[in-house]
Amino acid sequence: DAGVIQSPRHEVTEMGQEVTLRCKPISGHNSLFWYRQTMMRGLELLIYFNNNVPIDDSGMPEDRFSAKMPNASFSTLKIQPSEPRDSAVYFCASSFGRANPYEQYFGPGTRLTVT
Amino acid sequence: AQSVAQPEDQVNVAEGNPLTVKCTYSVSGNPYLFWYVQYPNRGLQFLLKYITGDNLVKGSYGFEAEFNKSQTSFHLKKPSALVSDSALYFCAASNFGNEKLTFGTGTRLTIIP
Repeated sequence: DAGVIQSPRHEVTEMGQEVTLRCKPISGHNSLFWYRQTMMRGLELLIYFNNNVPIDDSGMPEDRFSAKMPNASFSTLKIQPSEPRDSAVYFCASSFGRANPYEQYFGPGTRLTVT
Repeated sequence: AQSVAQPEDQVNVAEGNPLTVKCTYSVSGNPYLFWYVQYPNRGLQFLLKYITGDNLVKGSYGFEAEFNKSQTSFHLKKPSALVSDSALYFCAASNFGNEKLTFGTGTRLTIIP
């Protein structure tokens, strides 16, 4: 089992540029979560999907952030335009609610730096 | 609204001594409780969970946690600490029908050789 895969692992970009983060959940998992981790705010849930449908996006900071899940094996989180305050580590996690309620498996994260 | 509190930002323990990392929660209905560990530059790893049943839950790497309903606590414990246990520990909570986990702010555990 490859676990949750995220790419890129590191991203450095300039303010105003578009950034796209990618996630491949564990095969067979039907829920996917995007989190952001910073020293100041800790771990924040941005959005989560169940069966490819967005269920709760109340944590998405503003319209600059968008997330999609076109199929069960792929999701993207896009920031356009990026700002320095978006610098953080972004984690993707997946779970299979029926067999293991609410136990989430995290990817290694993408460290985003916006200059 | 759900909330999880980890009252200690930092816990230092001598190697070989028992360790405790504290967590309290506020959840409507019966809580589902979790502990995760994060090593440097890594994602969070699941350690253990309480859904129902015995109040003492055993998990990975020799860790255990005790669910105390009256005190709304779910403290993480280990009888004998190892230097390799040094990491950031997160407590999380949810409840039936709610896939969202509410995380605490994390406790940095340092085991001193």
